[in-house]
Amino acid sequence: NAGVMQNPRHLVRRRGQEARLRCSPMKGHSHVYWYRQLPEEGLKFMVYLQKENIIDESGMPKERFSAEFPKEGPSILRIQQVVRGDSAAYFCASSRQANTEAFFGQGTRLTVV
Amino acid sequence: TQLLEQSPQFLSIQEGENLTVYCNSSSVFSSLQWYRQEPGEGPVLLVTVVTGGEVKKLKRLTFQFGDARKDSSLHITAAQPGDTGLYLCAGVLNTGNQFYFGTGTSLTVIP
Repeated sequence: NAGVMQNPRHLVRRRGQEARLRCSPMKGHSHVYWYRQLPEEGLKFMVYLQKENIIDESGMPKERFSAEFPKEGPSILRIQQVVRGDSAAYFCASSRQANTEAFFGQGTRLTVV
Repeated sequence: TQLLEQSPQFLSIQEGENLTVYCNSSSVFSSLQWYRQEPGEGPVLLVTVVTGGEVKKLKRLTFQFGDARKDSSLHITAAQPGDTGLYLCAGVLNTGNQFYFGTGTSLTVIP
């Protein structure tokens, strides 16, 4: 899974600030998935993107959260006006084709203070 | 409601023992993956099964996909401390666009 690169690994934000999480998929992969994981819990789906398109955002909160996967550059998960409840580990995964084997990055651990 | 239920949730065993982790659902999946996650790290893909009844072996780990593609099991033979971690199953529905993750099984192997 070292091929999927996420940065930063750790991010600290004050309440009300914006958090931007980046994910570079593995080479040759055009499908990206974002998940959130709280301590002692499993992975919760947030959004699935294919280059320049949002395919499924059913797991993403309607407000303050957005995601993009531009033609050039990494996928970005953006959280506006962060609150304490946004503190979690956010994982990105990528796959070569839709819903085939997905490989995960090491995650970004967001802490809102 | 959780689409994939794993059992047991926690498991602590002695080195050398065998164990089985179960992943169950009432839904049919086109494929199912097993991952292992260590603290502070991302999930690492262990195996993908796609055919009902399929059995795959990875050294001391044996994975089975149920005939109806609704459930799966992971069996570890002669567990070692290095097997310690969180084991997650994840499935893709026939009509789905996402990987649904199970509740996870936290395994501790005591030397």
